[in-house]
Amino acid sequence: EVLLVESGGGLVQPGESLRLSCAGSGITLSDHYMDWVRQGPGKGLEWIGRSVNKAFSYTTDYAASVKGRFSISRDEFKNSLFLQMNNLKTEDTAMYYCTREMYGGFHIWGLGTMVTVSS
Amino acid sequence: QSALTQPPSASGSPGQSVTISCTGTGSDVGGRDSVSWYQQHPGKAPKLVIYEVNKRPSGVPDRFSGSKSGNTASLTVSGLQPEDEADYYCNSYAGSNNFVFGTGTKVTVL
Repeated sequence: EVLLVESGGGLVQPGESLRLSCAGSGITLSDHYMDWVRQGPGKGLEWIGRSVNKAFSYTTDYAASVKGRFSISRDEFKNSLFLQMNNLKTEDTAMYYCTREMYGGFHIWGLGTMVTVSS
Repeated sequence: QSALTQPPSASGSPGQSVTISCTGTGSDVGGRDSVSWYQQHPGKAPKLVIYEVNKRPSGVPDRFSGSKSGNTASLTVSGLQPEDEADYYCNSYAGSNNFVFGTGTKVTVL
């Protein structure tokens, strides 16, 4: 069974940083395009960024709302994906999901990890 | 990048059909075949039900179907069942290595 498990969420103050992790089991993450999607409380889904696969050097792309503050990285040996979030704002409060992208869709999702930015 | 436009709500009785629209522009929905749809039950992660406009992942009932005309994509759920009550979101590749989601539609089974 393929599983994605996010971790690292929590309560932080505005301006602080947080690093989220996404661990894969039953799947080799380096073979796949992997994305992060978030959902604010009572709000819709928002795509925030992507890391393409190893064959394309893990190139990353970001939504305008997080570009310059968030960055995506990987650790092949830990079979993990990371989301480094800097200079967090209250509007970044959301459930954060990692997901496997394929054929232009997001086929596998983790359960998510909650990030709350509040003073 | 603006969110794709979906109706806030839709409803139908068990056994009926409901169709949800997703309107974008020629830069996203109209110019791509990378349109996908997601079902989300309260407190749960989203689940892919349609990708590449009209393809169903393994395990998704054939009651779910997708189509596209111009800048508008559609998801139809036929033979509505109580478990189909959920929020539904469309998504499209928007160029420049970006994706955009729809505003979401709450489907109620009456």
